[in-house]
Amino acid sequence: EVQVVESGGGLVQPGGSLRLSCVASGFTVSTNYMTWVRQAPGKGLEWVSVIYSGGTTYFADSLKGRFTVSRDNSKNTLYLQMTSLRAEDTAVYYCARNRPHSDYADVWGQGTTVTVSS
Amino acid sequence: DIQLTQSPYFLSASVGDRLTITCRASQGISSSLAWYQQKPGRAPKLLIYAASTLQSGVPSRFSGSGSGTEFTLTISSLQPEDFATYYCQRVDSYPLTFGGGTKVEIK
Repeated sequence: EVQVVESGGGLVQPGGSLRLSCVASGFTVSTNYMTWVRQAPGKGLEWVSVIYSGGTTYFADSLKGRFTVSRDNSKNTLYLQMTSLRAEDTAVYYCARNRPHSDYADVWGQGTTVTVSS
Repeated sequence: DIQLTQSPYFLSASVGDRLTITCRASQGISSSLAWYQQKPGRAPKLLIYAASTLQSGVPSRFSGSGSGTEFTLTISSLQPEDFATYYCQRVDSYPLTFGGGTKVEIK
């Protein structure tokens, strides 16, 4: 079965860091475009980033310099490294696989919750 | 950045109704648009991509149309499982953006 499972969320203090993981099964992370999307409590969806199979990454303007994306091919896992966290980063973070060579996310995880609070 | 405006924000409808949701882009985006469905506590689900292509496994009562700046998602006959929030998303250039969402509730 093709699926992704996120983990790593939790409570972190403002200014802190957190790394989210997205483990894939049924497909290879490194040969697909992968997307992160987040959703603040009671709010709509917000696109966070994409990583191409070749490694190129793009981020939402508000996140540039604070968030990075990486992969561990041996673990078939995608990561979202978040630094200098703010209260407004509190959200459910979703990982998704994109349709081939596109930004259309067709396989989503269940999400992992990040809470930034003192 | 190009903004997406969905309308209406909220819709009350009955089973069997025909429903249309509109998504307007602040600039032309060709056909670079997707529609997603999200139920409470669940991840979004891709319904339509490239403005009008039905994602595999999605019922044919869902359809998408439009190009440039105006797009529509139509549900031809609303079913109980369709009560959810619907989002459009533009994918023409980075950063990508979503519309604000349309919540469809039971009348």
